[in-house]
Amino acid sequence: DAMVIQNPRYQVTQFGKPVTLSCSQTLNHNVMYWYQQKSSQAPKLLFHYYDKDFNNEADTPDNFQSRRPNTSFCFLDIRSPGLGDAAMYLCATSRDRGVTGELFFGEGSRLTVL
Amino acid sequence: AQSVTQLGSHVSVSEGALVLLRCNYSSSVPPYLFWYVQYPNQGLQLLLKYTSAATLVKGINGFEAEFKKSETSFHLTKPSAHMSDAAEYFCAVSDLEKLTFGTGTRLTIIP
Repeated sequence: DAMVIQNPRYQVTQFGKPVTLSCSQTLNHNVMYWYQQKSSQAPKLLFHYYDKDFNNEADTPDNFQSRRPNTSFCFLDIRSPGLGDAAMYLCATSRDRGVTGELFFGEGSRLTVL
Repeated sequence: AQSVTQLGSHVSVSEGALVLLRCNYSSSVPPYLFWYVQYPNQGLQLLLKYTSAATLVKGINGFEAEFKKSETSFHLTKPSAHMSDAAEYFCAVSDLEKLTFGTGTRLTIIP
């Protein structure tokens, strides 16, 4: 059974039209991550939550925001998508902070911007 | 700052042949190293991890990797490739704060 579930799997939006991607987990993990993966590139960490503590990467554009209303859910909001934001967005979880263990990934949400 | 370099963005091997995917790391602290696999249009799945125990690490699907500190390497191997091994493979390093991925190696299996 899937433990990290991302919705939608595929999202098409227009330039500048806000988008929200969702992630839910059944693992009860403390940490949730959002990665951006562009074609043929490495996944790039955007931000993560340790419980309710939000940690933004220094180079994450302000256009990207996140919410974690409870342990199970985390959302990625892209306020005004540009063509350069077309990518696969991956949600991941880990039990605790301190990446010594496994990250559990969802199947990703592929965003297309027209 | 930590980083990983994966040599060869594309690797092709014949079915039944040895698979060797190369990864070199740079880390200012003793590293935690990982190999993840990604099938088309899916998320990443952990293959194996090195966390300062045995230097030869065995993972799922017959893969293994050897940590060599003197060479700062963590190459991934499998003795006999199977068609189902066709995927993208990512090496990653952790400094306990974040996980940094390499750019990936796409493995193609030739029948």
